[in-house]
Amino acid sequence: GNSVTQMEGPVTLSEEAFLTINCTYTATGYPSLFWYVQYPGEGLQLLLKATKADDKGSNKGFEATYRKETTSFHLEKGSVQVSDSAVYFCALIPSGGSYIPTFGRGTSLIVHP
Amino acid sequence: ETGVTQTPRHLVMGMTNKKSLKCEQHLGHNAMYWYKQSAKKPLELMFVYNFKEQTENNSVPSRFSPECPNSSHLFLHLHTLQPEDSALYLCASSQVTATSTDTQYFGPGTRLTVL
Repeated sequence: GNSVTQMEGPVTLSEEAFLTINCTYTATGYPSLFWYVQYPGEGLQLLLKATKADDKGSNKGFEATYRKETTSFHLEKGSVQVSDSAVYFCALIPSGGSYIPTFGRGTSLIVHP
Repeated sequence: ETGVTQTPRHLVMGMTNKKSLKCEQHLGHNAMYWYKQSAKKPLELMFVYNFKEQTENNSVPSRFSPECPNSSHLFLHLHTLQPEDSALYLCASSQVTATSTDTQYFGPGTRLTVL
């Protein structure tokens, strides 16, 4: 079956530090890949996505590149802010079959001033 | 504004109660989803509706009963729940379920506590 593996959290950083949250996946074919973010007390919202190999998704300073050869979609940001503190979810939707999403467990990010 | 609203935001119920969760989307989407989010566990997909028809039931116990009267509204009817059912229940919508590129839009969730 399909699966998404994210690094365990929490990830704790100082403001302006570089962020990487690792995500690897298992799926047949060419799934679409997503990063969602959940701020405290809210639902998930799309941060960025990539729909084919070597695509780079970007939004609000965050980037992730779809790497088919390593089945990865790592999230990066060059300089984090306190307001980036949230839980980040990596997800995939397979390219065939039921098109049902699979989510990772989520990685909590805490950014200190 | 996410375009997906959920009520109530918080619910406390006893194991013998019957209650319902409501979700409404204002995005013109045709697919709606219920998820369960528990601490320390992955997001669990419960049900999927596409054009008002249930297309997925992810082995959910019968004490959870979904209803989708139209493409804009989704309900989750609850009865004789267990304490382990306490969680955040998230509703989401997307344009359709027949594509791998579709983005899901989530509501803020209902925080359910079963005593």
